[in-house]
Amino acid sequence: SQQGEEDPQALSIQEGENATMNCSYKTSINNLQWYRQNSGRGLVHLILIRSNEREKHSGRLRVTLDTSKKSSSLLITASRAADTASYFCATDKQGGSEKLVFGKGTKLTVNP
Amino acid sequence: EAEVAQSPRYKITEKSQAVAFWCDPISGHATLYWYRQILGQGPELLVQFQDESVVDDSQLPKDRFSAERLKGVDSTLKIQPAELGDSAMYLCASSFGVGPYNEQFFGPGTRLTVL
Repeated sequence: SQQGEEDPQALSIQEGENATMNCSYKTSINNLQWYRQNSGRGLVHLILIRSNEREKHSGRLRVTLDTSKKSSSLLITASRAADTASYFCATDKQGGSEKLVFGKGTKLTVNP
Repeated sequence: EAEVAQSPRYKITEKSQAVAFWCDPISGHATLYWYRQILGQGPELLVQFQDESVVDDSQLPKDRFSAERLKGVDSTLKIQPAELGDSAMYLCASSFGVGPYNEQFFGPGTRLTVL
């Protein structure tokens, strides 16, 4: 069962533009994580934001979390062709299992 | 830089055959995860180990899947017999600790095709 749902399913932009991906989830969480997956490869951890945090930055990445709306967004600024990948949000379930539940992902294409 | 190793990278098999995947986590990581990722979907946890003990195998189809981590280091995931619906990417991940705040490090995966 999938807790997080990313939106949009696919996104195509030009190099240099910003890319925004959204994630909605259903139950209260301890934290939300974003991962990147290049085609046919394993996932790479990007950033973790805790339920008591509202915004977090890492290089060109900016993540926001709105627990009242049960949603998060990932912003990639000044995108590069190398950012082409699928991006997944993953949540745990507060008070329940500690396992991560991944969404279906957003497939980002950055055109040179 | 330490990485999670998986083998084989690709496996093609016929249905009803047995297949096995191997994973070697990052040294010192006590927690090991096996995920299945169907094309176009996110990874789904099959089994989680803490050292050599199973912590969560609620989504593991136990009639055909088995997993072990005998010495609390590397791990093997087996499918017997394989079915057409098992075609997917099988990902192994590890983390230093257990719990929701631990970053998981993923291996490159094993792409399984069942004919």
